[in-house]
Amino acid sequence: GQQLNQSPQSMFIQEGEDVSMNCTSSSIFNTWLWYKQDPGEGPVLLIALYKAGELTSNGRLTAQFGITRKDSFLNISASIPSDVGIYFCAGRKAAGNKLTFGGGTRVLVKP
Amino acid sequence: GAVVSQHPSRVICKSGTSVKIECRSLDFQATTMFWYRQFPKQSLMLMATSNEGSKATYEQGVEKDKFLINHASLTLSTLTVTSAHPEDSSFYICSAHRTGTSYEQYFGPGTRLTVT
Repeated sequence: GQQLNQSPQSMFIQEGEDVSMNCTSSSIFNTWLWYKQDPGEGPVLLIALYKAGELTSNGRLTAQFGITRKDSFLNISASIPSDVGIYFCAGRKAAGNKLTFGGGTRVLVKP
Repeated sequence: GAVVSQHPSRVICKSGTSVKIECRSLDFQATTMFWYRQFPKQSLMLMATSNEGSKATYEQGVEKDKFLINHASLTLSTLTVTSAHPEDSSFYICSAHRTGTSYEQYFGPGTRLTVT
């Protein structure tokens, strides 16, 4: 079953705001990945993290690989309307290529 | 960039029939492909790992006789849902792992299966 706890489950954003989401696990992962999925599409890789403590940016996105290897967070700065979608964290253990996904964070625009 | 395609993008079939979904890596070779299922408002759940030239490895609880996987070449894997039932209706997504350890999985656009 699913091993990654992702929070929040959903959030409303206003254009220009910074948003944060995180993933925690009871076990260690060797790699942490963050994906974005738009409705009716497959996930697209945003950021990949390979070392504990690593902080990596991709444009307005910043993600960190937790020092304990059991957590990761993703920040989106100065959000824009196209940031709306579902963000998933995924972890990979030391052996093999299988990914375990978090439950997702649904990012919506404030009405 | 690496592109993975799926065909068909949508399919509607009647209960009891079988449907085949194709996953292709368009510009790279993929020794390993993965098949996921995603129910509405839920996360991706891995169904099976497909290795070229060998039998697929299924996750616990996934019936291998119902979800037949064939990975006949380094660019094509197929998932056949046999004797489909309405509860098999879901979004099926494949991913391909580009040969070489420095690459991550690239996902296809998904196939929406509706069983009536």
